[in-house]
Amino acid sequence: DGGITQSPKYLFRKEGQNVTLSCEQNLNHDAMYWYRQDPGQGLRLIYYSQIVNDFQKGDIAEGYSVSREKKESFPLTVTSAQKNPTAFYLCASSIGVGRRSLTDTQYFGPGTRLTVL
Amino acid sequence: AQSVSQHNHHVILSEAASLELGCNYSYGGTVNLFWYVQYPGQHLQLLLKYFSGDPLVKGIKGFEAEFIKSKFSFNLRKPSVQWSDTAEYFCAARGGGGNMLTFGGGTRLMVKP
Repeated sequence: DGGITQSPKYLFRKEGQNVTLSCEQNLNHDAMYWYRQDPGQGLRLIYYSQIVNDFQKGDIAEGYSVSREKKESFPLTVTSAQKNPTAFYLCASSIGVGRRSLTDTQYFGPGTRLTVL
Repeated sequence: AQSVSQHNHHVILSEAASLELGCNYSYGGTVNLFWYVQYPGQHLQLLLKYFSGDPLVKGIKGFEAEFIKSKFSFNLRKPSVQWSDTAEYFCAARGGGGNMLTFGGGTRLMVKP
């Protein structure tokens, strides 16, 4: 069964703690993305990765970090430096630039809701 | 900076009413356009997309959208909504040269039975 999985579904964190959100895909996609969703603001891009061992900052990367050691995995760490981390986090993937036709489309995982206590 | 605007934040309709959700983008040149839907408790799903060709695009569940280049718009339509269409709808755009999407703020649709 192909798709994108994110875990956990709900996550609670105390202030000052780092926390890592998991994202895995078995679609053989090169590109992966992390978004943050807040009410009324749509989705904002945190980080993206076009290929293994490479990633780029998105629009709101401050307070976050990522790694891309394997093609199928793109974990996101929310650090204590992120001032307002409570949000819904969405991971996505797409075929990617390297093999991209003009029809590259992003597909999304189910999301992780992070609450800072 | 490139941007996508959805002017209606909340829409309430009765079943069988017609739906039109607005979406405007600020990209010049080639643009790819998408509508995604997020049903309550579910993940974001692709409704339809436009890359080129016929500006009237048909998607899943009876939705369609029309690309009007002169108006920089990509409005979503459905002739007769159902209670099950209650969801949040997101418009997204991408310039022709890359694969980064810019999303609008979303429109929450509530359909009353």
